[in-house]
Amino acid sequence: SQQGEEDPQALSIQEGENATMNCSYKTSINNLQWYRQNSGRGLVHLILIRSNEREKHSGRLRVTLDTSKKSSSLLITASRAADTASYFCATSESNDYKLSFGAGTTVTVRA
Amino acid sequence: NAGVTQTPKFRVLKTGQSMTLLCAQDMNHEYMYWYRQDPGMGLRLIHYSVGEGTTAKGEVPDGYNVSRLKKQNFLLGLESAAPSQTSVYFCASSYGVAGRNEQFFGPGTRLTVL
Repeated sequence: SQQGEEDPQALSIQEGENATMNCSYKTSINNLQWYRQNSGRGLVHLILIRSNEREKHSGRLRVTLDTSKKSSSLLITASRAADTASYFCATSESNDYKLSFGAGTTVTVRA
Repeated sequence: NAGVTQTPKFRVLKTGQSMTLLCAQDMNHEYMYWYRQDPGMGLRLIHYSVGEGTTAKGEVPDGYNVSRLKKQNFLLGLESAAPSQTSVYFCASSYGVAGRNEQFFGPGTRLTVL
């Protein structure tokens, strides 16, 4: 069963605006990852945040993790047309051998 | 480096036919995975391998078999295809365990079973 659930399912923003999406999960996790998928392509890793970290940055990406609420957020600042994609969170549990992916948030950036 | 490659890119099968999907990686990764992606459901793990000669079941293994005879290759087999196996299949690999390492994905194989 899917561990993570992204919210919203879809998001449409104007170029230059920020995009925020959330991921909630059910059980305790070791780490949480975010991936991007452009239409018709494979997934690309964006960022990994460990359970003992609260915030992490990578370029225009900011990820937060709140283990007490079992949730994470991904913020994309100053969005560009190239950010149009689906974004997935993925969690791993105690054995770390497997990732569980959510259904994703589809982001459309309008020019 | 080619990264993770998948063969074929597209395939149409009739119910009951068999086929093998090939995944190859040139990054010397120990771990390899097969996922399927269906609309609105994200990725679901079919089988995975933690090293040459090993395989393990994932979330949705029924109807599929896998083999990892060589470290760089991970094969996914459908012995008797069913329409429910119509999906996009992704292979991925990672240096270490999935939860602590970035996974590298192939471009996908779009399979239709009629």
